[in-house]
Amino acid sequence: TQLLEQSPQFLSIQEGENLTVYCNSSSVFSSLQWYRQEPGEGPVLLVTVVTGGEVKKLKRLTFQFGDARKDSSLHITAAQPGDTGLYLCAGIYNNNDMRFGAGTRLTVKP
Amino acid sequence: NAGVTQTPKFRVLKTGQSMTLLCAQDMNHEYMYWYRQDPGMGLRLIHYSVGEGTTAKGEVPDGYNVSRLKKQNFLLGLESAAPSQTSVYFCASSFPGLYEQYFGPGTRLTVT
Repeated sequence: TQLLEQSPQFLSIQEGENLTVYCNSSSVFSSLQWYRQEPGEGPVLLVTVVTGGEVKKLKRLTFQFGDARKDSSLHITAAQPGDTGLYLCAGIYNNNDMRFGAGTRLTVKP
Repeated sequence: NAGVTQTPKFRVLKTGQSMTLLCAQDMNHEYMYWYRQDPGMGLRLIHYSVGEGTTAKGEVPDGYNVSRLKKQNFLLGLESAAPSQTSVYFCASSFPGLYEQYFGPGTRLTVT
C-alpha cells in the first residue's frame, strides 16, 4: 500500500472545466510538494506548502494544505490542454523521509 | 546550464547482464538521488547521496549499487539485471535539505 494516496488515478476532462485532485496520508507531513511531469520528461516542482491550512496560487492552479497537515489538494480552474500531464505529490515527513504518490494522470481535451 | 542529464536515454538488457547509468548535474548541488518510476507505484527512491564520496540506501535499494566519486556525477549500477528492474529511472539533485529537486529526463530500461 502507498504511504501517500492520490486520487483520482486518471482524469479526462474538456477544456474550460474545473477539477480538483487529492493527496492523502494517515501520517503528518512536515511539508508537501506538488510536481507536474510531462511524457518523456522528469517531474518539475510546482509548489511547496509548509503550514497547515496554507493556500498557494499559481495562475489557474490553487494548492491547499490540510489543517492537520495530512492531506492536500490541487484545484485547476478553466483547464487548458497545456495542463495535461501527471501530477505528483511528495510528502516530507518529520524524519526527513520523502515519499511520492503514484500521481493523477490528467488529460484535457480541446 | 544543462541542469541534470542522464545517459543513456534507452537501454535493453538481457537477464544477468550488467550496466551503469550515469547522472550529471551542473548546478553545484550537494544532494543527488536515484528513483525508479513504475506504473501505479509513483517514484521510489533507490539510493541517494548527501555529498561527494557518500551514499545511502533509499526505499528500494536491493539489486542496485551507486557511487559518487565526483560532486557532479552519480552513477547507478545494476550488477545482474532482472526483469523486475524494467522501469524508468530518474536522477535528481538538490541543495541540502528536502527542498526542490531537479530531475533529469529519465532512462527507460527494459530487461528481457
